[in-house]
Amino acid sequence: DTAVSQTPKYLVTQMGNDKSIKCEQNLGHDTMYWYKQDSKKFLKIMFSYNNKELIINETVPNRFSPKSPDKAHLNLHINSLELGDSAVYFCASSPSGGSNQPQHFGDGTRLSIL
Amino acid sequence: GNSVTQMEGPVTLSEEAFLTINCTYTATGYPSLFWYVQYPGEGLQLLLKATKADDKGSNKGFEATYRKETTSFHLEKGSVQVSDSAVYFCALSDYTGKLIFGQGTTLQVKP
Repeated sequence: DTAVSQTPKYLVTQMGNDKSIKCEQNLGHDTMYWYKQDSKKFLKIMFSYNNKELIINETVPNRFSPKSPDKAHLNLHINSLELGDSAVYFCASSPSGGSNQPQHFGDGTRLSIL
Repeated sequence: GNSVTQMEGPVTLSEEAFLTINCTYTATGYPSLFWYVQYPGEGLQLLLKATKADDKGSNKGFEATYRKETTSFHLEKGSVQVSDSAVYFCALSDYTGKLIFGQGTTLQVKP
């Protein structure tokens, strides 16, 4: 009965590869997000979707492509992985994206590029 | 642009000590303010929130008051426990709904 679930939890891969991270929420929320947490634990928004529509795209390289097949899922595909992509990626959701609504986070996907 | 600044960590306290983690923000408009906590190997959990000036958020003995005049949202707890050891993030949410985080403060509580 996990609210926001991400797979995989760990991802170790070589530079130049393409990989995907999946996220699903069972809270009935309309809005989903991707955040990146770097090695110093700093968190920064990457994307947000509201009911399958892209709302926020924060100066992220176009090697990163989010896809939302329905409002319960937001996947992140990364092409041509680089060393600097090593980080923990968190998916989150909120009811409708309003500023006063807390966001619910998944447990994160730790991506390590060799 | 909008930003959040937290006190540098790590903060090391003995059990039952008083905790304050400072947080100040810069924002246009009327943001909502949040404290999130991250335990090792886990995602972020909402600790408390405040959506307008002078609101006090509270949960599990933690409190923070939205102070517009000093643009602050300091986190306090009267008596910390070893189980409170974690990383604490102050964040604001602007009109777009995205969260802007401070750099996080690591709290270590020793028995």
